Order: sequence, then C-alpha cells, then structure tokens
Amino acid sequence: NAGVTQTPKFQVLKTGQSMTLQCAQDMNHEYMSWYRQDPGMGLRLIHYSVGAGITDQGEVPNGYNVSRSTTEDFPLRLLSAAPSQTSVYFCASSRTGGVGQPQHFGDGTRLSIL
Amino acid sequence: AQSVTQLDSQVPVFEEAPVELRCNYSSSVSVYLFWYVQYPNQGLQLLLKYLSGSTLVKGINGFEAEFNKSQTSFHLRKPSVHISDTAEYFCAVSESNTGNQFYFGTGTSLTVIP
Repeated sequence: NAGVTQTPKFQVLKTGQSMTLQCAQDMNHEYMSWYRQDPGMGLRLIHYSVGAGITDQGEVPNGYNVSRSTTEDFPLRLLSAAPSQTSVYFCASSRTGGVGQPQHFGDGTRLSIL
Repeated sequence: AQSVTQLDSQVPVFEEAPVELRCNYSSSVSVYLFWYVQYPNQGLQLLLKYLSGSTLVKGINGFEAEFNKSQTSFHLRKPSVHISDTAEYFCAVSESNTGNQFYFGTGTSLTVIP
C-alpha cells in the first residue's frame, strides 16, 4: 500500500528559484493538506483541499500556491523561494474533511533554501 | 484561533517506567482530539483519537489518553515504556463545527533511557 507519496525527499534551492513539491495518494481521499514543520513550532497548515477543484488557505499560506486538478494529486508550488521557507514539508490526506477523520501523512520533503 | 499546548518539550524516562505526555487545548467548542507519533525521518502516524463517548481512549503500542472537558486536556499515558517508544509525539485538535483545519502542538520528544 503506497498511501501518501511525496517527492522529492530532499531538495536544495537557491533564493529566488521556483519548484513544485509533489504529493499523491492512492486511497481516494477527498481531503488533502500541506504542512510545514519547523523546530519548536510543530506542524503548521499551509493549504488544504476538500476535493478536486477546491482549495483554501491554512495558517501560513504566503509564498505558496496549490491546485487540485485530480483527487489523487495535490502539488505545492514555491514561486520564488526564500530562506524562511527552509523546512520539512508534509502532505496529508483523509477520507473527508472534518468529522474527526484522522490524517495519513507522507514521509516528508526536506527543503533547504540557500 | 485554536491553540494546542504541549507543556513538556522533552521527556526523558527510564525503560519500563510509566510516562505521561501532557496536552491542553483552548477551544470552547466541541472538538476532536488526536495523538500522533513521529519516528526520525518519517511522517506522522496516528496513535489514537477521541471523537465522542468514553473519555478514556486506547491506541496502538499500549498507549492510552484521557479526555477531560473541564480541564480542556487530552494527556497521553503509557504504563511501561520501551526503547522503541523513543520518538516525537504530537497532540492535534480539530473543531467539530469546522473540521477542515487541524491544529498541532509543538511536540514532545520522548527519550527512553535503557
């Protein structure tokens, strides 16, 4: 069972470069989300989606874009990377949004911005 | 906005001793509560969840948690820890009236000492 797959696992960028973090799930989950994890700050929600074609902002959306064209995929785009975006990024999915559905997490993408 | 407080950032404990990891949340509305565990270089895995009903919830790996509405707490306990329990533990909350956003605590690093 693949579950939630994130690629790449590691990435180093220069300030100002753009890139897309990929996230795919094979569980037919409606709800998908992106978090960043920073030391001493836990996980903070960046963007989320309750279904194909629907996205919304979380706690820390600035500097990130998302789209959801299919149920399976939820890519996260950094248009112009900044050192403050150095972090570990996690994608998660759940069967539906809300009603206490637990989230399934990918293994993370470790991103460094120089 | 919801806030989740994990009072202890690091908890060292000897093998086979009991442990309690504390979690408090701020919401005054009905909530769903979760504990996740994160092993090094991995994503988060669900330990247990409270949706409704009995306030004592049992999870995987011998962990349990008790929901206390009056104290807005959801503390995690294990009567006898093993070396393999060494990991980062996160408490998370979602509000039943919105549900689309999860709020995570800053994490507690549990180190089991042989």
